[in-house]
Amino acid sequence: AQSVSQHNHHVILSEAASLELGCNYSYGGTVNLFWYVQYPGQHLQLLLKYFSGDPLVKGIKGFEAEFIKSKFSFNLRKPSVQWSDTAEYFCAVNAFNAGKSTFGDGTTLTVKP
Amino acid sequence: DAGVTQSPTHLIKTRGQQVTLRCSPKSGHDTVSWYQQALGQGPQFIFQYYEEEERQRGNFPDRFSGHQFPNYSSELNVNALLLGDSALYLCASSPDRGTTNTEAFFGQGTRLTVV
Repeated sequence: AQSVSQHNHHVILSEAASLELGCNYSYGGTVNLFWYVQYPGQHLQLLLKYFSGDPLVKGIKGFEAEFIKSKFSFNLRKPSVQWSDTAEYFCAVNAFNAGKSTFGDGTTLTVKP
Repeated sequence: DAGVTQSPTHLIKTRGQQVTLRCSPKSGHDTVSWYQQALGQGPQFIFQYYEEEERQRGNFPDRFSGHQFPNYSSELNVNALLLGDSALYLCASSPDRGTTNTEAFFGQGTRLTVV
């Protein structure tokens, strides 16, 4: 069975600070990897995705993530956060079934102005 | 192009009652998946519908059932509601159940409160 672990439950940063959110997954085969963001009162939105190829993927709003296969990790990064990045972030994996993903429990990011 | 739409947005039910939630997938999508997101947790996969049949199911009791219509829209039914069923219920649509390299699109969810 797949599982996803997000180690940071709540992260508090000041504007312009750098961000890295950890995500590790367990699954024996090849997977697709995703980061979603959920702003207060809004639906889950895709930040970025990894299917294959370059392990460093770039998403919207300046976010990027690096897939390290040997570490089963897919960490999310952003060089300089903004107050508007305050949201909950979810890492997810699926085994080539787009609708059946396993999500982590999320990381709440609070950015102080 | 409308995305995934869910109704209602909020719902309050009493223990023991039954509830039906509805989802219209994104245009061009034929696969609908349902998730339960309890407070402070990530979404948990309930089941997936494709070609009007349940094709995948997560670890949820039989009180949770669903349906998919010929126009690909879907319903989630929960019988004999428990307090623990209070959660945000998310619908996600995708273009093909088995296609690789696709992503799912999520609706805004239905917030169900059981009292």
